[in-house]
Amino acid sequence: AQKVTQAQTEISVVEKEDVTLDCVYETRDTTYYLFWYKQPPSGELVFLIRRNSFDEQNEISGRYSWNFQKSTSSFNFTITASQVVDSAVYFCALSEAETNAGKSTFGDGTTLTVKP
Amino acid sequence: EPEVTQTPSHQVTQMGQEVILRCVPISNHLYFYWYRQILGQKVEFLVSFYNNEISEKSEIFDDQFSVERPDGSNFTLKIRSTKLEDSAMYFCASSQRGYGEAFFGQGTRLTVV
Repeated sequence: AQKVTQAQTEISVVEKEDVTLDCVYETRDTTYYLFWYKQPPSGELVFLIRRNSFDEQNEISGRYSWNFQKSTSSFNFTITASQVVDSAVYFCALSEAETNAGKSTFGDGTTLTVKP
Repeated sequence: EPEVTQTPSHQVTQMGQEVILRCVPISNHLYFYWYRQILGQKVEFLVSFYNNEISEKSEIFDDQFSVERPDGSNFTLKIRSTKLEDSAMYFCASSQRGYGEAFFGQGTRLTVV
């Protein structure tokens, strides 16, 4: 069965600090997809990134970067020089390609608070 | 950019009433999903739908829930007799294939009073 663990329930940082949000996943499939979503206080889910299991290249998008390590089943998300607008709940999610017909399993989320 | 649209954004209903939550998936997508998020908790899978039938459902998706694609564009979630514990944010999602990126709508906040 697929499972996503976000061990950090809440993180608080001061603006301009770097912060890393951890995500560890479990799956039996060899083909799967990992995602990060941002949920601001308004409640919608904002897609941030998708990574498939065959692409272990790390990705950088502005202040955001992602580190995918299959060996440790982790897909961590780093925000560099955090800003107050980064305050939100961040969810990591897993979708298996071979089973479960595209169902996404979400972690419990990490609430990030960036203080000015 | 194409997006998944959900209406209404917020619905308040009395306990025991039926509600229908509506979603317009992205037009060339074939797989449709409903998820639920109780306030402060994680997003949970409810049901997936493909080729006009349910392909998978969770234990949450009991007999009081049903889904339908009444025409070529809408995808609905019906809750027959709402309970207080049905209060949550409901997200619709669609994907072109049965894996990969599912695009989520903005959500409908359902409040049962």
